[in-house]
Amino acid sequence: DSGVTQTPKHLITATGQRVTLRCSPRSGDLSVYWYQQSLDQGLQFLIHYYNGEERAKGNILERFSAQQFPDLHSELNLSSLELGDSALYFCASSVGEPRGEAFFGQGTRLTVV
Amino acid sequence: AQSVTQPDIHITVSEGASLELRCNYSYGATPYLFWYVQSPGQGLQLLLKYFSGDTLVQGIKGFEAEFKRSQSSFNLRKPSVHWSDAAEYFCAVGRTGANNLFFGTGTRLTVIP
Repeated sequence: DSGVTQTPKHLITATGQRVTLRCSPRSGDLSVYWYQQSLDQGLQFLIHYYNGEERAKGNILERFSAQQFPDLHSELNLSSLELGDSALYFCASSVGEPRGEAFFGQGTRLTVV
Repeated sequence: AQSVTQPDIHITVSEGASLELRCNYSYGATPYLFWYVQSPGQGLQLLLKYFSGDTLVQGIKGFEAEFKRSQSSFNLRKPSVHWSDAAEYFCAVGRTGANNLFFGTGTRLTVIP
């Protein structure tokens, strides 16, 4: 158990819909990272938050957004969903930056039908 | 820009045999290097990491990796594979000032009795 909690574990939704994925980092970790894992793209970095502030964006679509709350949990919002958004979404946390040693949650598997 | 190459998509070894998984990186300076393992339906677990110092690093579950600057490699090894080692293995690179890790495409390990 990495100490990073992601909910829900599985999510099935229709195209055009909006979903929210939630992540609770390890106790004491200030950084939260979101990654997308798909068969064709592999593991792709989406976005990084540190203590409530956005620090870096990777290959995140404009339809996607995230935030980190004062209690340090984070949410990833995916809207206008398309079939190609089906993937495993991971949250990871670390104590700080920039060494990137991160602990991963078990992921949320999103299926868009 | 940094990149990570794992040339072997799939490797099959017999239980008890030795294992080496290859990883090459592209980065101008000394990177931070990681190996993660992902079991089916699970998140990524950190096996070991290299930041600096001794180029041979020991990790969990009997794994080790050697950083070779001249070859831009960070290969993962295990002297005797167990059936429970069957999983997907990811090499990742981070760098000073970066906020995230760059992952290779992964190597799937199958262990046969």
